[in-house]
Amino acid sequence: AQSVSQHNHHVILSEAASLELGCNYSYGGTVNLFWYVQYPGQHLQLLLKYFSGDPLVKGIKGFEAEFIKSKFSFNLRKPSVQWSDTAEYFCAVILAMDTGRRALTFGSGTRLQVQP
Amino acid sequence: KAGVTQTPRYLIKTRGQQVTLSCSPISGHRSVSWYQQTPGQGLQFLFEYFSETQRNKGNFPGRFSGRQFSNSRSEMNVSTLELGDSALYLCASSFEAAVMNTEAFFGQGTRLTVV
Repeated sequence: AQSVSQHNHHVILSEAASLELGCNYSYGGTVNLFWYVQYPGQHLQLLLKYFSGDPLVKGIKGFEAEFIKSKFSFNLRKPSVQWSDTAEYFCAVILAMDTGRRALTFGSGTRLQVQP
Repeated sequence: KAGVTQTPRYLIKTRGQQVTLSCSPISGHRSVSWYQQTPGQGLQFLFEYFSETQRNKGNFPGRFSGRQFSNSRSEMNVSTLELGDSALYLCASSFEAAVMNTEAFFGQGTRLTVV
């Protein structure tokens, strides 16, 4: 079955450290890719998205992600994290379901803890 | 403008009961999707409605059902509740069908606890 994988389940960083969260998907067709963030007690918010064009996508709060088609990857990066970046991060891809229709499919999430 | 509103925020039910959750999308949005979020399984797609029609369904048993009204508000129903149904149920709305090529906006969710 088509899926989205986030290999880092829990990441602990110190402030000012650089961040890279991995996301891989299994789908050979055209994909729409997203990163969502869920801050403690808050709803899911869109960080950035890729539909086409420049594979390096800039998002909010200094986040960026690079789509590498040959690696089926869409890794999230930030050069210098802050304590306020502590949250859970979800990669999501629009994939075909067993029904043949496409739906937004999420990875299992990565919990980022930034220590002051 | 107002975001996606889910009610109630918290629910406690006993096994065997049924429950109905409500979602009001952002004004003008016609697509509503539902997700189940658990620590072990992450976010799993339940179903998606567009203009009162179910357009997509995830791999959940028939105890999970939903509907959408003409004003785009959606309800999700779970019958014969099981302990494993305890989860955060999230609703997302978007302007276009099937959240394709557009951003999905999420509500804060309904925390369902089955005892």
